[in-house]
Amino acid sequence: GQQLNQNPQSMFIQEGEDVSMNCTSSSIFNTWLWYKQDPGEGPVLLIALYKAGELTSNGRLTAQFGITRKDSFLNISASIPSDVGIYFCAGLANAGNNRKLIWGLGTSLAVNP
Amino acid sequence: DADVTQTPRNRITKTGKRIMLECSQTKGHDRMYWYRQDPGLGLRLIYYSFDVKDINKGEISDGYSVSRQAQAKFSLSLESAIPNQTALYFCATSDFTGGDTQYFGPGTRLTVL
Repeated sequence: GQQLNQNPQSMFIQEGEDVSMNCTSSSIFNTWLWYKQDPGEGPVLLIALYKAGELTSNGRLTAQFGITRKDSFLNISASIPSDVGIYFCAGLANAGNNRKLIWGLGTSLAVNP
Repeated sequence: DADVTQTPRNRITKTGKRIMLECSQTKGHDRMYWYRQDPGLGLRLIYYSFDVKDINKGEISDGYSVSRQAQAKFSLSLESAIPNQTALYFCATSDFTGGDTQYFGPGTRLTVL
């Protein structure tokens, strides 16, 4: 099935560093979502983006909806140990009522204290 | 209390056994989903239901069946479990009028021996 290209696949960083990850697609999306999955838990929504060019923050997290509508970016500033987890992007294209999320494969983040 | 609950949280079973995983939600959402997560493969959609009378196959429905007993309940069955169905299973819900942002349960870890 269709998937998003999410990069990088994994990151290992020092506490305090900033983190950047992105998702790209060959298709246009009308909604971009960013989720975080803690070990042993279900994904939790971090940020939702609904308009091309939109820049939205949630604490130390900032996400952007790309102007082309084919990509999105997530930045984490001043990382802390509890940022560890898997970050997923997901895109939603309006196709009438029968629309489904398309998922990236995730970016696994490890933070060294 | 959690908005999306899954039971059981963990299950170990043997090859050939029938298994049912249950999902309940109190969010009042009309749409429910079952995903499977394997390391490195992200979230793969098994089945989804847009309302009580609607059932749709996802990308990996073979070997699985579902039942939407009520708006709040969506169960996933493995009629004859096999070892490669060992995975983490997630239920999710969404609301069409709410932009179809999906909200996840805590997951069920299934091991088939």
